[in-house]
Amino acid sequence: EDQVTQSPEALRLQEGESSSLNCSYTVSGLRGLFWYRQDPGKGPEFLFTLYSAGEEKEKERLKATLTKKESFLHITAPKPEDSATYLCAVQGNDMRFGAGTRLTVKP
Amino acid sequence: GAVVSQHPSRVICKSGTSVKIECRSLDFQATTMFWYRQFPKQSLMLMATSNEGSKATYEQGVEKDKFLINHASLTLSTLTVTSAHPEDSSFYICSAPVQTKNIQYFGAGTRLSVL
Repeated sequence: EDQVTQSPEALRLQEGESSSLNCSYTVSGLRGLFWYRQDPGKGPEFLFTLYSAGEEKEKERLKATLTKKESFLHITAPKPEDSATYLCAVQGNDMRFGAGTRLTVKP
Repeated sequence: GAVVSQHPSRVICKSGTSVKIECRSLDFQATTMFWYRQFPKQSLMLMATSNEGSKATYEQGVEKDKFLINHASLTLSTLTVTSAHPEDSSFYICSAPVQTKNIQYFGAGTRLSVL
């Protein structure tokens, strides 16, 4: 069965303190790995899609990387507005979401 | 990115009433849409896949008579929670995939509270 595990569950950072979020997965036939940002009471907002090991994507302070077993979302010099829950999802035969990492960035 | 509109954003109803939630793709056509349910601090759980012009596909454990799905056009899917009870209170989110990009875009979600 396809599985997605995100760690840590919650992460508190000081503004400017870089860190990484992890998404470990097992899937039969990866068709894509997706990162979303979700603010409280809102729907997920699309960030990145990664398709093959070694692929990297960047957007502002965020960088997503992919290996055959996991993906990392690196946050460089985060700001308070980066506070949100970050969801990882993998698409095999269907789409499966992780439970998310709740990121809090304090000024 | 593509825009998916979901309405209403919040609804409070009495136990036993039915509630309809709309999901629209505003700038693209979607032959398929997805309905999710999310509990606090938990992941999105797929409830059903809505198919334009045909019956929805429900995930195991989801009552199709309780959660009625209609996909009447290429831009609109509706989820009706029939005879709602307090245990149906949750955050419901729809999504629609842009096939050429293989990306699901999400609506803003509907917070349902059943009294």
